[in-house]
Amino acid sequence: NAGVTQTPKFRVLKTGQSMTLLCAQDMNHEYMYWYRQDPGMGLRLIHYSVGEGTTAKGEVPDGYNVSRLKKQNFLLGLESAAPSQTSVYFCASSFRGAQHFGDGTRLSIL
Amino acid sequence: RKEVEQDPGPFNVPEGATVAFNCTYSNSASQSFFWYRQDCRKEPKLLMSVYSSGNEDGRFTAQLNRASQYISLLIRDSKLSDSATYLCVVDRVHGSGNTGKLIFGQGTTLQVKP
Repeated sequence: NAGVTQTPKFRVLKTGQSMTLLCAQDMNHEYMYWYRQDPGMGLRLIHYSVGEGTTAKGEVPDGYNVSRLKKQNFLLGLESAAPSQTSVYFCASSFRGAQHFGDGTRLSIL
Repeated sequence: RKEVEQDPGPFNVPEGATVAFNCTYSNSASQSFFWYRQDCRKEPKLLMSVYSSGNEDGRFTAQLNRASQYISLLIRDSKLSDSATYLCVVDRVHGSGNTGKLIFGQGTTLQVKP
């Protein structure tokens, strides 16, 4: 039972490049979330999904897009990466209540 | 006022000590409360849910005071392995009810020393 799996674990991008972060969960959870965590700041919600085919904006959605084509997968896209998007990205899923996290993607934008 | 507030610490305690963290939340309509633990450069992990009647899990005790809108976590007989950041977490409730979203405090750092 893998729980929540994020790929890749690490990535370095140049400003203006695009990439997609993948989150997969095998717990049949309805809700999925993307957060970013920066030094000295708490977790901030980027986008979330309450079910297959639905997505919604969180606190800091600008510069990111998401898709939830399959219940088990939640993709986070950066269309044109900026240095301000250098961060650690966590995906989480939940049935309701407590959320279960993947082990994170460390992304650096140069 | 922040939605969830915690003293960032750090709390430096010797092994075997008892340490308590408090957290306050602003939305009186919140229904679900949790403590998460986050080790350096790792993902947050659920430590325990917090129930109105209070609950205990081994050396850890969580309590909820709805009237004063605060949550506490007590750790007894601290171990070196308890060194981590402890996140207070509250559900984000809007007028339409539970959104499934959680609000994470910035965390309280605990360092247990030999």
